[in-house]
Amino acid sequence: EPEVTQTPSHQVTQMGQEVILRCVPISNHLYFYWYRQILGQKVEFLVSFYNNEISEKSEIFDDQFSVERPDGSNFTLKIRSTKLEDSAMYFCASSKDRGMDEQFFGPGTRLTVL
Amino acid sequence: AQSVSQHNHHVILSEAASLELGCNYSYGGTVNLFWYVQYPGQHLQLLLKYFSGDPLVKGIKGFEAEFIKSKFSFNLRKPSVQWSDTAEYFCAVNEDSNYQLIWGAGTKLIIKP
Repeated sequence: EPEVTQTPSHQVTQMGQEVILRCVPISNHLYFYWYRQILGQKVEFLVSFYNNEISEKSEIFDDQFSVERPDGSNFTLKIRSTKLEDSAMYFCASSKDRGMDEQFFGPGTRLTVL
Repeated sequence: AQSVSQHNHHVILSEAASLELGCNYSYGGTVNLFWYVQYPGQHLQLLLKYFSGDPLVKGIKGFEAEFIKSKFSFNLRKPSVQWSDTAEYFCAVNEDSNYQLIWGAGTKLIIKP
């Protein structure tokens, strides 16, 4: 069964450093998403991406964040200058369609900012 | 703003007990409703969803949920739980025209063998 994959599973970085989190969505999916979950808090939407552009983003997704689909398979989330409060589990998801369609999730990348 | 409430953060049941997990949302328009489950060490996966039609929806592993529009609720039920149902359960909602899922806080379910 096809699945969403994410690398790395755990990333430790120093405050102020740039990090890139990588995701490989399911191959025939068209919509891509990033969510995050700070320890003990709700899962929060960051951004959705369709047709090579951002289709929706939350208030969390400020200028420090960017997304890219550099080739036909990868979908990346970049945080330019990490802060302590960026420590969280980051989930990538993909879907064939939006709205009622199921979003398939990856296993997550745990980001720890020291 | 939209929000989703799950009232039970931790539930402990014995095997064969009946389960009901509450989920309420705040939004007056057309919504799609989802229950996701995360088994220990695994990905979030879809349990069931509602977007239109019969308000009683059946999902995988014997789970079902009922959409009650007047109560803004989408409670998850299972008549007889098993030890393998130990997991965290998340209710999520999106507006029909939107991409993002709005999530509840999750309910950690522990089934005692």
